[in-house]
Amino acid sequence: ETGVTQSPTHLIKTRGQQVTLRCSSQSGHNTVSWYQQALGQGPQFIFQYYREEENGRGNFPPRFSGLQFPNYSSELNVNALELDDSALYLCASSLGGRAEAFFGQGTRLTVV
Amino acid sequence: AQRVTQPEKLLSVFKGAPVELKCNYSYSGSPELFWYVQYSRQRLQLLLRHISRESIKGFTADLNKGETSFHLKKPFAQEEDSAMYYCALSGNRNTGFQKLVFGTGTRLLVSP
Repeated sequence: ETGVTQSPTHLIKTRGQQVTLRCSSQSGHNTVSWYQQALGQGPQFIFQYYREEENGRGNFPPRFSGLQFPNYSSELNVNALELDDSALYLCASSLGGRAEAFFGQGTRLTVV
Repeated sequence: AQRVTQPEKLLSVFKGAPVELKCNYSYSGSPELFWYVQYSRQRLQLLLRHISRESIKGFTADLNKGETSFHLKKPFAQEEDSAMYYCALSGNRNTGFQKLVFGTGTRLLVSP
């Protein structure tokens, strides 16, 4: 059984650029959620994908978007990067309908 | 609104001392409560959930609906318990959509 993997582990981007983060869900899990964790804060829910469709969204602007693929892997896209987007981005996978989530190691995004 | 409050940023104890990490929540329905832990250089991982009513690594947590609390306790702290602990809440169990709302975390430091 493979765990949740995210790539890349670190990334530096310039303000205004676009970024794509990737996540492979744990084997057998069909639901992927993305969280943003700013320094000193707990993870904040961005959105969730279930069977390739957005299943719920937190309080994030439309420039945060995502995809889920048939193999349940997922991407998080952020357009027009702002300095405040600098954070650790966590991907979590779960079985649909269950709250228990398994997290990846995260992608540290720095916007300069 | 769903909210999780962890009032202590840092809890420092000596090995063998009892530990209680506080968590209070705000939710109008029947939530699921979790404790997640992040050891140094490791990913966020589930420690325990209130539904299971189990003890993991000597830790227990009881859901007190009257006080809306889910404090994490361990009678005798060990140095390997030093980590960041996050309390999290999930609601909407009947909608098929589950997201986790996290507190800001408490860093537990166990000294020899």
